[in-house]
Amino acid sequence: EDKVVQSPLSLVVHEGDTVTLNCSYEVTNFRSLLWYKQEKKAPTFLFMLTSSGIEKKSGRLSSILDKKELFSILNITATQTGDSAVYLCAGPSGTYKYIFGTGTRLKVLA
Amino acid sequence: DAGVIQSPRHEVTEMGQEVTLRCKPISGHDYLFWYRQTMMRGLELLIYFNNNVPIDDSGMPEDRFSAKMPNASFSTLKIQPSEPRDSAVYFCASSFAGRETQYFGPGTRLLVL
Repeated sequence: EDKVVQSPLSLVVHEGDTVTLNCSYEVTNFRSLLWYKQEKKAPTFLFMLTSSGIEKKSGRLSSILDKKELFSILNITATQTGDSAVYLCAGPSGTYKYIFGTGTRLKVLA
Repeated sequence: DAGVIQSPRHEVTEMGQEVTLRCKPISGHDYLFWYRQTMMRGLELLIYFNNNVPIDDSGMPEDRFSAKMPNASFSTLKIQPSEPRDSAVYFCASSFAGRETQYFGPGTRLLVL
């Protein structure tokens, strides 16, 4: 059975800290791994990772994939209160179908 | 582009009533997905369509749930009869084949009393 597991479940940090969120996956037909940020509303897309070892960056956020060890990490440097959200990781399960992890709830304190 | 549009944004109903949720995908997108999100189970994929045809409905919880996509710009998710355990946020998302980014609508928050 395909599955995606995220850790930690929740995290509380102070502004300026750096955080690392983890996502491990077991899927039978890997194509890509997706990261989303969900605040109070719908998930918004952050990154799509398809190749091992190639870092994707967007401002203070970055992510990398390890296809050998079947995991991905999402890094956020110099965190801000606006980074407080649930971060979701998704892996493919079948054609054009994705399964999501339970998410990591990040709270950044001022 | 207006993005994915969902209606209603909030729905409160009584157990046993029929509930219909609506979705308009982004124009030109040929994949449409229905998700349900709860605190207990997280985000779950219920069903998805390609070119208006249901491809995988293995996530639909039971026969009380049904989904249709009569044309490329409209889809419905119906629950009949509704039960309190159906209370959740229901998201619709769309994507264009070959691009794996799914764009989510704002969601419908359903409360079944």
